[in-house]
Amino acid sequence: ETGVTQSPTHLIKTRGQQVTLRCSSQSGHNTVSWYQQALGQGPQFIFQYYREEENGRGNFPPRFSGLQFPNYSSELNVNALELDDSALYLCASSLAVGPDTQYFGPGTRLTVL
Amino acid sequence: KQEVTQIPAALSVPEGENLVLNCSFTDSAIYNLQWFRQDPGKGLTSLLLIQSSQREQTSGRLNASLDKSSGRSTLYIAASQPGDSATYLCAGYTGANSKLTFGKGITLSVRP
Repeated sequence: ETGVTQSPTHLIKTRGQQVTLRCSSQSGHNTVSWYQQALGQGPQFIFQYYREEENGRGNFPPRFSGLQFPNYSSELNVNALELDDSALYLCASSLAVGPDTQYFGPGTRLTVL
Repeated sequence: KQEVTQIPAALSVPEGENLVLNCSFTDSAIYNLQWFRQDPGKGLTSLLLIQSSQREQTSGRLNASLDKSSGRSTLYIAASQPGDSATYLCAGYTGANSKLTFGKGITLSVRP
């Protein structure tokens, strides 16, 4: 069974650019959540997708957007990058919406210069 | 609004010691609480999940407890090993926005 995978591993962008991060869910999981983890902090919830629809959003501006595809893989898009967007971006999948165990991928380290 | 606190931020113990990591949360309307391990620069590995109807869960040398009434969870690590060195995070699920709310984590160092 393949776990959650994310690409790319590392990414360097400059302020004002746009970035797309990708996530493949664990097999059989239809729910994907995205989190942002700044250095020394716990992960902060960005949003969740369930069957291609957004199912909850944290306190992040609209320039953070996402997609979920029919195969349940997902993308996180960030427009107009700011220096504070530098963080580890984590994707988590679960079997269903609700209080189910979330399985995290290895993350994408984004650096904004 | 759920807030999760983990104190202290860092802990150093000698190998072989039994230890307890603490986690407190403000909203007792919690569906479950999950403990994770994070190695430097890596993703999160799920260790244990405790449902609100349960009081504890065990996996190998790890035991996690949940007391909703007091807003506390503990992770007990028996006979610690240098390989246990990592950051341990707890996260509560309250159903609001379907999200996990995380603490900042406790960085554990086990000295050989």
